[in-house]
Amino acid sequence: AQSVSQHNHHVILSEAASLELGCNYSYGGTVNLFWYVQYPGQHLQLLLKYFSGDPLVKGIKGFEAEFIKSKFSFNLRKPSVQWSDTAEYFCAVNALTGGFKTIFGAGTRLFVKA
Amino acid sequence: GAGVSQSPSNKVTEKGKDVELRCDPISGHTALYWYRQSLGQGLEFLIYFQGNSAPDKSGLPSDRFSAERTGGSVSTLTIQRTQQEDSAVYLCASSFPSGGSGELFFGEGSRLTVL
Repeated sequence: AQSVSQHNHHVILSEAASLELGCNYSYGGTVNLFWYVQYPGQHLQLLLKYFSGDPLVKGIKGFEAEFIKSKFSFNLRKPSVQWSDTAEYFCAVNALTGGFKTIFGAGTRLFVKA
Repeated sequence: GAGVSQSPSNKVTEKGKDVELRCDPISGHTALYWYRQSLGQGLEFLIYFQGNSAPDKSGLPSDRFSAERTGGSVSTLTIQRTQQEDSAVYLCASSFPSGGSGELFFGEGSRLTVL
């Protein structure tokens, strides 16, 4: 069965620090990859997605993610975080062999100190 | 409305009672998902409806859980004989087009508390 692993459950950073959140998935074959974000008191929303093409994808608010097929990874990065980036971040995968149902990781809670 | 609508937003029930949670997806979205969000557990996949295909029920935790989607639109998640461990936020999401490439649009969730 497909699965998604997020390496860090809690991350605390100071403003302007760089961010990298790890995500690995257990799938062979073609996958679609996503990062979703849930800000405090808000519903989940899409941050960025990868389907094909350039493995470096850019999303909203300065976030980017790199798909490394050989490592089954899709890590999320931001060069300089802001207090407003405090949120929970979820990596997600779907694939043809899974019937295209979208499976999420356990999430990473990011707290940015002002 | 323009977004995914879920009701009730909050439900408190006694152990052993049945509950029904409703999801009204975005019009025209062919895929509908139910997830469960518990503290520290992330988003647990429950069930997936895609068009007229048989639903993928592989995530339902027990036979006390069931869901249906009527007319390809509104979905109801039913939990029978609720237990305290069922307490969680139940999220519904829909997407378009089919084939997995669509962004999921989430509702606000239904927070279930089983006493």
